[in-house]
Amino acid sequence: QVHLQESGPGLVKPSETLSLTCTVSGDSIRTTSFYWGWFRQPPGRGLEWIGSLYYSGGAFYNSSLKSRFTMSVDASKTQFFLTLSSVTAADTAVYYCEVGDFWSATDYWGRGIQVTVSS
Amino acid sequence: FVMTQSPLSLPVTLGQPASISCRTSQDLVNTDGITYLSWYQQRPGQSPRRLLYQVSKRDSGVPDRFSGSGSVTEFTLRISRVEAEDLGVYYCLQGTYWLLGQGTRLEIK
Repeated sequence: QVHLQESGPGLVKPSETLSLTCTVSGDSIRTTSFYWGWFRQPPGRGLEWIGSLYYSGGAFYNSSLKSRFTMSVDASKTQFFLTLSSVTAADTAVYYCEVGDFWSATDYWGRGIQVTVSS
Repeated sequence: FVMTQSPLSLPVTLGQPASISCRTSQDLVNTDGITYLSWYQQRPGQSPRRLLYQVSKRDSGVPDRFSGSGSVTEFTLRISRVEAEDLGVYYCLQGTYWLLGQGTRLEIK
């Protein structure tokens, strides 16, 4: 079984940079076609895709969110990161990380982390 | 272009079937000939969970009352007999262009 855990600050001030980490533990991902992904869900609203980073290379971002997001992964491939610059109250949401694969029955999600932007 | 889910709210009677549609104006078949269309379920207070990938392939542990069909621009998630644990919000996601549907709330009639 694969386990994902998001971590980071629960409260961020407007205009600051938010940094989130997703730690992957447990069994190894047995494919090389998987991706690391980030989603968020504002209070009372639907899920929003932020971006995805493929193990084989290639990053995709939600163009409607402009270029404030950056994703990366560490050399061990057990942690991946999301940074969001110049946060505003509109960035208040539960942020989820995902490891998925469109070619196999591989899909894991973290429990989500609540991030509130407030002064 | 966008993914359009319908309906956005679906009142159902337990034990009855339910269908959710995803439509787009663009052909979703990837250059490798595969359509990367997935369906996700999000129960109240829980993280999303993928149910189906490549239109109709079930993920591990997904009951066979969930099925997917469709091609090119129109796709459907069907639940043969809705159970109480199926209530929540369902999303479709196209993996080539990373298009996420708006979500369909499945609720008891």
